[in-house]
Amino acid sequence: NAGVTQTPKFQVLKTGQSMTLQCAQDMNHNSMYWYRQDPGMGLRLIYYSASEGTTDKGEVPNGYNVSRLNKREFSLRLESAAPSQTSVYFCASSGVAGLGEQYFGPGTRLTVT
Amino acid sequence: SQQGEEDPQALSIQEGENATMNCSYKTSINNLQWYRQNSGRGLVHLILIRSNEREKHSGRLRVTLDTSKKSSSLLITASRAADTASYFCATDIGGSNYKLTFGKGTLLTVNP
Repeated sequence: NAGVTQTPKFQVLKTGQSMTLQCAQDMNHNSMYWYRQDPGMGLRLIYYSASEGTTDKGEVPNGYNVSRLNKREFSLRLESAAPSQTSVYFCASSGVAGLGEQYFGPGTRLTVT
Repeated sequence: SQQGEEDPQALSIQEGENATMNCSYKTSINNLQWYRQNSGRGLVHLILIRSNEREKHSGRLRVTLDTSKKSSSLLITASRAADTASYFCATDIGGSNYKLTFGKGTLLTVNP
């Protein structure tokens, strides 16, 4: 099992460009999450999907959109990238069988110039 | 806003020593979890302690929880250089979406 996979690993965008970060999990988990991690700020929740077909805003949703494509896949879209969105983005998933522990992908390092 | 806050922000010890990190939180929780992050990698779940538990062990890890003080501690015994990482506490306030709120982390450096 691959666990949680994310693509791409690195990306450089110019201000105003758009892109989609992809996330997939093969653990049959119901819940999926997108976080951003900035130096000294810990992880902040952008959006989450409690189950297939539902999405909800987290702590810092402005400038982002998400799509829960199916149970396995949860994508994060930046419609018009800004330098303030330079960060490391992590996808995570959590299953019904556990008690809420989350499993993380390796991250996408995004730089917006 | 941050629910959990780790203390200290950074800790440097020698191999073989014990490392203790603390986490304080603000609201009632369903459970509290600790994660490790090696530099440049994703977070890895270490241990979960429920609100009705006071202490839990896993290998060289010992976690305590004091709900009256809204605090938790993570003890790593007989530390190794490979334990060098950032450690985060995360709180789960309950509900079916398993949403967690993370603290800012403690950077542990274990010197060989």
